[in-house]
Amino acid sequence: NAGVTQTPKFQVLKTGQSMTLQCAQDMNHEYMSWYRQDPGMGLRLIHYSVGAGITDQGEVPNGYNVSRSTTEDFPLRLLSAAPSQTSVYFCASSYRGDVYNEQFFGPGTRLTVL
Amino acid sequence: GENVEQHPSTLSVQEGDSAVIKCTYSDSASNYFPWYKQELGKRPQLIIDIRSNVGEKKDQRIAVTLNKTAKHFSLHITETQPEDSAVYFCATGGSNYKLTFGKGTLLTVNP
Repeated sequence: NAGVTQTPKFQVLKTGQSMTLQCAQDMNHEYMSWYRQDPGMGLRLIHYSVGAGITDQGEVPNGYNVSRSTTEDFPLRLLSAAPSQTSVYFCASSYRGDVYNEQFFGPGTRLTVL
Repeated sequence: GENVEQHPSTLSVQEGDSAVIKCTYSDSASNYFPWYKQELGKRPQLIIDIRSNVGEKKDQRIAVTLNKTAKHFSLHITETQPEDSAVYFCATGGSNYKLTFGKGTLLTVNP
Protein backbone atom coordinates (compact mmCIF):
# COMPACT_ATOMS: atom_id res chain seq x y z
CA ASN A 1 0.00 0.00 0.00
CA ALA A 2 1.18 3.52 -0.79
CA GLY A 3 -0.78 4.87 2.21
CA VAL A 4 -1.71 8.54 1.97
CA THR A 5 -0.17 10.38 -0.95
CA GLN A 6 -0.16 14.10 -1.70
CA THR A 7 0.81 16.07 -4.78
CA PRO A 8 2.55 18.35 -5.38
CA LYS A 9 5.27 18.38 -2.70
CA PHE A 10 6.02 22.06 -3.27
CA GLN A 11 4.09 24.82 -5.00
CA VAL A 12 4.54 28.55 -5.51
CA LEU A 13 1.51 30.62 -6.49
CA LYS A 14 0.86 34.27 -7.16
CA THR A 15 -1.91 36.07 -5.29
CA GLY A 16 -5.23 35.43 -6.96
CA GLN A 17 -4.28 32.18 -8.66
CA SER A 18 -6.25 29.02 -8.01
CA MET A 19 -5.03 25.48 -7.64
CA THR A 20 -5.93 22.05 -6.36
CA LEU A 21 -3.91 20.05 -3.84
CA GLN A 22 -4.37 16.37 -4.44
CA CYS A 23 -4.76 13.72 -1.74
CA ALA A 24 -5.35 10.02 -2.23
CA GLN A 25 -5.35 6.95 0.02
CA ASP A 26 -5.44 3.29 -0.93
CA MET A 27 -6.45 1.89 2.49
CA ASN A 28 -10.22 2.11 1.99
CA HIS A 29 -10.42 4.64 4.81
CA GLU A 30 -13.75 6.34 5.43
CA TYR A 31 -12.57 9.50 7.18
CA MET A 32 -10.35 12.03 5.39
CA SER A 33 -9.31 15.50 6.40
CA TRP A 34 -7.13 18.47 5.51
CA TYR A 35 -4.98 20.41 7.97
CA ARG A 36 -2.72 23.38 7.62
CA GLN A 37 0.39 23.73 9.75
CA ASP A 38 1.85 27.14 10.48
CA PRO A 39 4.82 27.85 12.77
CA GLY A 40 3.72 27.98 16.40
CA MET A 41 0.09 27.23 15.50
CA GLY A 42 -0.06 23.45 15.50
CA LEU A 43 -2.34 21.68 13.06
CA ARG A 44 -5.63 23.35 12.22
CA LEU A 45 -8.49 21.49 10.56
CA ILE A 46 -9.68 22.97 7.25
CA HIS A 47 -12.29 20.48 6.00
CA TYR A 48 -13.14 16.86 6.62
CA SER A 49 -15.18 14.04 5.13
CA VAL A 50 -16.75 11.03 6.86
CA GLY A 51 -17.39 9.20 3.58
CA ALA A 52 -17.88 9.62 -0.15
CA GLY A 53 -20.28 12.44 -0.91
CA ILE A 54 -20.10 13.92 2.61
CA THR A 55 -17.93 16.90 3.55
CA ASP A 56 -18.01 19.45 6.34
CA GLN A 57 -16.09 22.48 7.54
CA GLY A 58 -13.34 22.47 10.10
CA GLU A 59 -11.79 25.28 12.10
CA VAL A 60 -10.38 27.38 9.23
CA PRO A 61 -12.45 26.68 6.05
CA ASN A 62 -12.52 30.13 4.45
CA GLY A 63 -10.85 30.28 1.03
CA TYR A 64 -10.88 26.50 0.55
CA ASN A 65 -13.27 24.05 -1.10
CA VAL A 66 -13.33 20.26 -0.99
CA SER A 67 -15.24 17.42 -2.59
CA ARG A 68 -15.29 13.66 -2.01
CA SER A 69 -16.61 11.90 -5.11
CA THR A 70 -14.74 8.65 -4.33
CA THR A 71 -13.53 6.95 -1.16
CA GLU A 72 -9.91 7.28 -2.32
CA ASP A 73 -9.60 10.96 -3.26
CA PHE A 74 -10.08 14.16 -1.30
CA PRO A 75 -8.79 17.20 -3.23
CA LEU A 76 -8.45 20.64 -1.64
CA ARG A 77 -9.10 23.64 -3.87
CA LEU A 78 -7.77 27.11 -3.24
CA LEU A 79 -10.17 29.46 -5.00
CA SER A 80 -8.10 32.67 -5.07
CA ALA A 81 -4.76 32.27 -3.30
CA ALA A 82 -3.71 34.83 -0.71
CA PRO A 83 -0.36 35.25 1.11
CA SER A 84 -2.13 34.20 4.33
CA GLN A 85 -2.54 30.74 2.79
CA THR A 86 1.21 30.19 2.73
CA SER A 87 1.54 27.06 4.84
CA VAL A 88 2.27 23.35 4.90
CA TYR A 89 -0.85 21.34 4.09
CA PHE A 90 -1.38 17.82 5.38
CA CYS A 91 -4.03 15.39 4.32
CA ALA A 92 -4.96 12.61 6.74
CA SER A 93 -7.21 9.56 6.72
CA SER A 94 -8.47 7.01 9.20
CA TYR A 95 -10.19 3.65 8.95
CA ARG A 96 -13.40 4.49 10.73
CA GLY A 97 -15.66 7.37 9.84
CA ASP A 98 -14.66 9.32 12.91
CA VAL A 99 -11.59 10.68 14.68
CA TYR A 100 -11.39 8.04 17.43
CA ASN A 101 -8.66 6.06 15.76
CA GLU A 102 -5.21 6.64 14.28
CA GLN A 103 -4.99 9.40 11.70
CA PHE A 104 -2.55 8.54 8.90
CA PHE A 105 -0.97 11.67 7.50
CA GLY A 106 0.35 12.26 4.02
CA PRO A 107 3.85 13.72 3.44
CA GLY A 108 2.54 17.27 3.11
CA THR A 109 2.50 20.02 0.48
CA ARG A 110 4.51 23.18 1.12
CA LEU A 111 2.66 26.10 -0.47
CA THR A 112 4.02 29.61 -0.89
CA VAL A 113 1.76 32.43 -2.09
CA LEU A 114 3.57 35.54 -3.30
CA GLY B 1 -15.27 25.47 20.01
CA GLU B 2 -12.66 23.39 21.75
CA ASN B 3 -9.49 25.09 23.01
CA VAL B 4 -6.37 23.02 23.70
CA GLU B 5 -3.40 24.57 25.47
CA GLN B 6 -0.09 22.76 25.46
CA HIS B 7 2.92 23.44 27.72
CA PRO B 8 5.79 23.90 27.54
CA SER B 9 6.38 25.08 23.98
CA THR B 10 10.03 23.97 24.17
CA LEU B 11 11.67 21.42 26.44
CA SER B 12 15.33 20.48 26.63
CA VAL B 13 16.47 17.44 28.63
CA GLN B 14 19.59 15.36 29.03
CA GLU B 15 19.62 11.87 27.59
CA GLY B 16 18.23 9.44 30.14
CA ASP B 17 16.08 12.06 31.89
CA SER B 18 12.28 12.09 31.83
CA ALA B 19 10.15 14.55 29.85
CA VAL B 20 6.61 15.63 30.65
CA ILE B 21 4.29 17.61 28.37
CA LYS B 22 0.90 18.77 29.60
CA CYS B 23 -2.28 19.75 27.77
CA THR B 24 -5.47 21.30 29.08
CA TYR B 25 -8.75 21.42 27.20
CA SER B 26 -12.04 23.26 27.52
CA ASP B 27 -14.76 21.00 26.07
CA SER B 28 -16.04 18.56 28.69
CA ALA B 29 -17.51 16.43 25.85
CA SER B 30 -14.00 15.54 24.62
CA ASN B 31 -13.41 11.82 25.10
CA TYR B 32 -10.42 10.90 22.94
CA PHE B 33 -6.87 12.15 23.55
CA PRO B 34 -4.10 11.21 21.10
CA TRP B 35 -0.47 12.30 20.99
CA TYR B 36 1.42 12.73 17.73
CA LYS B 37 5.16 13.00 17.12
CA GLN B 38 6.55 14.96 14.20
CA GLU B 39 10.22 14.73 13.33
CA LEU B 40 11.78 17.60 11.40
CA GLY B 41 10.44 17.72 7.84
CA LYS B 42 8.28 14.64 8.34
CA ARG B 43 4.59 13.94 8.78
CA PRO B 44 2.92 13.62 12.21
CA GLN B 45 2.61 10.05 13.50
CA LEU B 46 0.50 8.71 16.34
CA ILE B 47 2.53 7.50 19.31
CA ILE B 48 -0.13 6.85 21.92
CA ASP B 49 -3.79 7.62 22.60
CA ILE B 50 -6.21 7.32 25.48
CA ARG B 51 -9.96 7.34 25.83
CA SER B 52 -11.93 9.01 28.57
CA ASN B 53 -12.82 5.78 30.37
CA VAL B 54 -9.14 5.12 31.11
CA GLY B 55 -6.95 7.13 33.50
CA GLU B 56 -3.55 5.98 32.31
CA LYS B 57 -2.00 4.08 29.42
CA LYS B 58 1.58 2.92 28.98
CA ASP B 59 3.60 1.72 25.99
CA GLN B 60 7.21 0.96 26.86
CA ARG B 61 8.87 4.33 27.67
CA ILE B 62 5.78 6.38 26.86
CA ALA B 63 2.75 6.93 29.07
CA VAL B 64 -0.27 9.19 29.00
CA THR B 65 -2.33 10.19 32.03
CA LEU B 66 -5.78 11.76 31.94
CA ASN B 67 -7.61 13.78 34.58
CA LYS B 68 -11.12 14.39 33.21
CA THR B 69 -12.25 16.34 36.26
CA ALA B 70 -9.46 18.87 35.84
CA LYS B 71 -9.57 18.59 32.02
CA HIS B 72 -5.91 17.92 31.51
CA PHE B 73 -3.76 15.10 30.17
CA SER B 74 -0.04 14.59 30.03
CA LEU B 75 2.58 12.73 28.03
CA HIS B 76 5.44 11.17 29.98
CA ILE B 77 8.59 9.93 28.26
CA THR B 78 11.10 8.09 30.45
CA GLU B 79 14.77 7.33 29.74
CA THR B 80 14.82 9.81 26.87
CA GLN B 81 17.03 9.14 23.87
CA PRO B 82 18.28 11.50 21.13
CA GLU B 83 15.81 9.93 18.69
CA ASP B 84 12.98 11.21 20.91
CA SER B 85 13.88 14.74 19.73
CA ALA B 86 10.86 16.01 17.76
CA VAL B 87 7.77 18.17 18.02
CA TYR B 88 4.97 16.55 20.04
CA PHE B 89 1.32 17.48 19.58
CA CYS B 90 -1.57 16.65 21.84
CA ALA B 91 -5.10 16.59 20.49
CA THR B 92 -8.67 16.11 21.65
CA GLY B 93 -11.60 14.49 19.92
CA GLY B 94 -15.23 14.99 20.80
CA SER B 95 -18.51 13.92 19.27
CA ASN B 96 -18.28 16.19 16.24
CA TYR B 97 -15.73 14.32 14.08
CA LYS B 98 -13.05 16.93 14.64
CA LEU B 99 -9.62 16.71 16.23
CA THR B 100 -8.32 19.86 17.88
CA PHE B 101 -4.54 20.03 18.23
CA GLY B 102 -2.36 21.87 20.68
CA LYS B 103 0.36 24.14 19.32
CA GLY B 104 3.14 21.64 19.90
CA THR B 105 6.19 21.12 22.11
CA LEU B 106 9.69 21.00 20.66
CA LEU B 107 11.57 18.37 22.67
CA THR B 108 15.34 18.33 22.41
CA VAL B 109 17.25 15.46 24.00
CA ASN B 110 20.90 16.33 24.49
CA PRO B 111 23.39 13.43 24.34
